[in-house]
Amino acid sequence: AQSVTQPDIHITVSEGASLELRCNYSYGATPYLFWYVQSPGQGLQLLLKYFSGDTLVQGIKGFEAEFKRSQSSFNLRKPSVHWSDAAEYFCAVGSPPRGSTLGRLYFGRGTQLTVWP
Amino acid sequence: DTGVSQDPRHKITKRGQNVTFRCDPISEHNRLYWYRQTLGQGPEFLTYFQNEAQLEKSRLLSDRFSAERPKGSFSTLEIQRTEQGDSAMYLCASSRQGYYGYTFGSGTRLTVV
Repeated sequence: AQSVTQPDIHITVSEGASLELRCNYSYGATPYLFWYVQSPGQGLQLLLKYFSGDTLVQGIKGFEAEFKRSQSSFNLRKPSVHWSDAAEYFCAVGSPPRGSTLGRLYFGRGTQLTVWP
Repeated sequence: DTGVSQDPRHKITKRGQNVTFRCDPISEHNRLYWYRQTLGQGPEFLTYFQNEAQLEKSRLLSDRFSAERPKGSFSTLEIQRTEQGDSAMYLCASSRQGYYGYTFGSGTRLTVV
């Protein structure tokens, strides 16, 4: 069965510090991996996705993530955090698309990021 | 691209009442998804449509839940005989062929009192 584990429920960093949010997945084949961000009371915004190829993927807002098959991980990183990055971050895994369209996703429970000024 | 629109944004209802939510996807998106998110959890899949066909339903979608997408455009999610455990954010997302990602709406927050 597919599943996602985000081991850190809450992370606090100072503005300007680097950030790494952890994500481990369970999936039998090549996974499709995603990171989403959610601000309070809002829907989810896609930060980045990985399907194949280069295991280091770049996303929006200066975020990047690295796929490590041997560790079943897809950790999200940012070299310098801004106060506006405070939000909840969700990692998700999905099956390869059928008919060139994505099916259901399995989400982790999220990591709440607090940024100190 | 006007984004995914959900209506209403908030709904408070008494236990036992029926509620219906609407989702308008991005116009050229042929797939539409419903998820439910409770406090402190990630979104959980409920169901999805390709055009008007409902392709998959989660076990979370009990007999009290029904979703439709009659003309392959907007979708409705109805919950009958609401229970307090139905209180959650209901998220709609859409996607198009060849684009491997979703666009989410802002959600409908349901509170059952």
